Formats: sequence, structure tokens, C-alpha cells
Amino acid sequence: AQSVTQLGSHVSVSEGALVLLRCNYSSSVPPYLFWYVQYPNQGLQLLLKYTSAATLVKGINGFEAEFKKSETSFHLTKPSAHMSDAAEYFCAVSVNTGGFKTIFGAGTRLFVKA
Amino acid sequence: DAGVTQSPTHLIKTRGQHVTLRCSPISGHKSVSWYQQVLGQGPQFIFQYYEKEERGRGNFPDRFSARQFPNYSSELNVNALLLGDSALYLCASSSERLNTEAFFGQGTRLTVV
Repeated sequence: AQSVTQLGSHVSVSEGALVLLRCNYSSSVPPYLFWYVQYPNQGLQLLLKYTSAATLVKGINGFEAEFKKSETSFHLTKPSAHMSDAAEYFCAVSVNTGGFKTIFGAGTRLFVKA
Repeated sequence: DAGVTQSPTHLIKTRGQHVTLRCSPISGHKSVSWYQQVLGQGPQFIFQYYEKEERGRGNFPDRFSARQFPNYSSELNVNALLLGDSALYLCASSSERLNTEAFFGQGTRLTVV
């Protein structure tokens, strides 16, 4: 069975500081991995995705994530936080095991302090 | 270009009633997925349809059903509504079966009273 665990339901950083949001996954088959961002009262927007190509994936708004198979991790980072980064972030895994399914983590709320 | 559109945006229903939610994918996208997002939680996968056939189903009761039409739009139906069905229902479309890039609509906020 597939699962996603996001460590930390809330993360607070200062503006200009490093952002690190943690995600670990479990999958019996090679996964596709995603990070999405959700602003209040809006749908989800794709930040970046891993689809078995390069293990370091660059996304929009300066975010990137590294796929580490040995650690079953796909942590999201950004070198310098901006106030506009304050939002809810979701890690997700997609697999096709005879039927397609996407599993989302519980989410991490990012707060950015001035 | 129009993104994924969902209707209605908000809905209030009474316990025991039935509801139909609608989704129009991005033009050219053949895959539509539905998710339920309860307040404070991540989206939970309900269904995926590709080329009008069900390709995936999450752990939801049979009260939940969906279909995809020839123009690739989709409906999600929920029967015998429970208070616990109150949630944001999200629709996502993609051009590929494996959903390697999904685009989400703004969602339908369903409140069951």
C-alpha cells in the first residue's frame, strides 16, 4: 500500500530563511511524487513533480525537492522564504497498480514571519 | 485558456439528500480525478476516470459514484448525505492517464446540515 507522511503540521520561518518541508513516502512500486501548494479558499497548484528522471527536481517560485530512494524521502526546500510563500503544502504519491490512485499527505502549514 | 471549472462553488444540503457536483476539464484533457478534502486534512482520492472509464477508486462507500461524459466532463454523485460528507470536493484534470501533471479546480464547498 502507498502512503505519505509529512513531518510537522506547522512550520514557521523568518523571511529570508531556508524553508524545509519534510515528506516521506511508502510505495511497493516506483512512484511519481509531487508537491502542491494551496492558498486559502483555492484549489491546489503543482509546485514540482518527480517522474523517475533527475532526482533533484526544480519547480516554480524557487522551490526544489530531492528524491532519495534509500531514505524514501522527497523533502521540499527553498533557500530564502518570502511572505508570499505562506500557504499549505501537500506532498503526494501516485502509482499505477492495476488501478490509478494518488495519495496526499496531511499537509504542512508554512508561516513566514517578517 | 479556461482552467478546470467546477460547479457549483458552494452548496448546502440536508442529511439524507442527494448531491451532484460537476467538473469541466481543461480542453484536451481526457483524465478527471475527484478528491474530498475535509477541513484541516489533505485531499482524499475518490475516483479517476480516463477516456470515460473508471481507472481508480479510493476507499469511499458506494454512496459515492461518478461518471465521465463523451466531452470528458464529469459528475460526482453522493447519495444519502451524512454530516461527515461536508468537505471541499476537488476535481483535477490531466492529459495523461498517469496524471503526471494534474490541474485542480477551485473546488465545491459542500455543507451538510
